[in-house]
Amino acid sequence: DAKTTQPNSMESNEEEPVHLPCNHSTISGTDYIHWYRQLPSQGPEYVIHGLTSNVNNRMASLAIAEDRKSSTLILHRATLRDAAVYYCTGGEGNTPLVFGKGTRLSVIA
Amino acid sequence: EAGVAQSPRYKIIEKRQSVAFWCNPISGHATLYWYQQILGQGPKLLIQFQNNGVVDDSQLPKDRFSAERLKGVDSTLKIQPAKLEDSAVYLCASSLGGAQQYFGPGTRLTVT
Repeated sequence: DAKTTQPNSMESNEEEPVHLPCNHSTISGTDYIHWYRQLPSQGPEYVIHGLTSNVNNRMASLAIAEDRKSSTLILHRATLRDAAVYYCTGGEGNTPLVFGKGTRLSVIA
Repeated sequence: EAGVAQSPRYKIIEKRQSVAFWCNPISGHATLYWYQQILGQGPKLLIQFQNNGVVDDSQLPKDRFSAERLKGVDSTLKIQPAKLEDSAVYLCASSLGGAQQYFGPGTRLTVT
């Protein structure tokens, strides 16, 4: 299982972009990088995943370093509803997710 | 599409009592997971099912925890007897077998 390191907390102003970093230096060559987020009193919610190249979806963008030892989740315009704990994790197929403590994102109006 | 359903949402019991949680995954999802999330930490896997077979239960405290997934659909997780340290949110998730897992809202257990 890939061990991940994330900052404990980050803060952003509303309507500004947010870059959430994650280090995963032990990730294997076949492990995907997954990002989930957890809003208060809810279960985790899928955000995005990728293997080698950068990925975009309606929620966010994922920038993966060329050596795959780190990645950055990009929220292009933070809203108050994006305040959550963001987890990055690695794995392939339907292997269970291994969560760290994640990054608590606060969004200021 | 209906999401993952869990019940109850909240449960308070005394230590040494037993408790059971129920999960109904998204229709057609063969893989089902139970996670335990202690306050301030990320979820930790307890058990993974593929249809009605166990794939991984290496982190399930088998002396007190048990889980089953009869007929490969619904699943129940039981704790007997409960300890104070079992106070946590118990999350159920399901997947089609790909990277994306869908989580239910969880059951918040308080053991007094």
